[in-house]
Amino acid sequence: DTGVSQDPRHKITKRGQNVTFRCDPISEHNRLYWYRQTLGQGPEFLTYFQNEAQLEKSRLLSDRFSAERPKGSFSTLEIQRTEQGDSAMYLCASSLAQKPYTIYFGEGSWLTVV
Amino acid sequence: TQLLEQSPQFLSIQEGENLTVYCNSSSVFSSLQWYRQEPGEGPVLLVTVVTGGEVKKLKRLTFQFGDARKDSSLHITAAQPGDTGLYLCAATVSGTYKYIFGTGTRLKVLA
Repeated sequence: DTGVSQDPRHKITKRGQNVTFRCDPISEHNRLYWYRQTLGQGPEFLTYFQNEAQLEKSRLLSDRFSAERPKGSFSTLEIQRTEQGDSAMYLCASSLAQKPYTIYFGEGSWLTVV
Repeated sequence: TQLLEQSPQFLSIQEGENLTVYCNSSSVFSSLQWYRQEPGEGPVLLVTVVTGGEVKKLKRLTFQFGDARKDSSLHITAAQPGDTGLYLCAATVSGTYKYIFGTGTRLKVLA
């Protein structure tokens, strides 16, 4: 049983560089979510896709952040011109579009901006 | 505005003790989930509760959904060091696609 997979697991980048994270959801799941989590905090919602459509974006997702899910399968989250405040774990999750809408998480991608 | 409040925020107990974690809201949810997260890892689903008043057991963990589906509790019997972690409740905000998390309860069980 393949769960949600994320790549890379860890990324260290210099401030101002662009980074991209990839998420492969559970194969039959048509809903995909991105979250950000900092140390000691619970995950914060960033954005949500149903199939290839991005249906909701948090105000946390500034214009330096962009997420895509071009074929309704895998998704990418790109951060342009990274800042130190972007250092966090970026979590991807997926679910079916039916109740109880339980979502399953990947192991996360750690970003450190130096 | 945090829709899901968890208490306590931190809990440090001795092995063998019992504990209860609460997740409260003024909103009604169609379902609620509990997760456990260990450092550096993504949250791992423990249970989904759907029906008001529902009680689910997972070994030494007992989960209850409030009758009005606004709150939930997690009770751990005879805690073990392996139970250490961050416990999160989560639910979908009615009328949106947002799936939000509670404030979290960080549990440490000492041997």
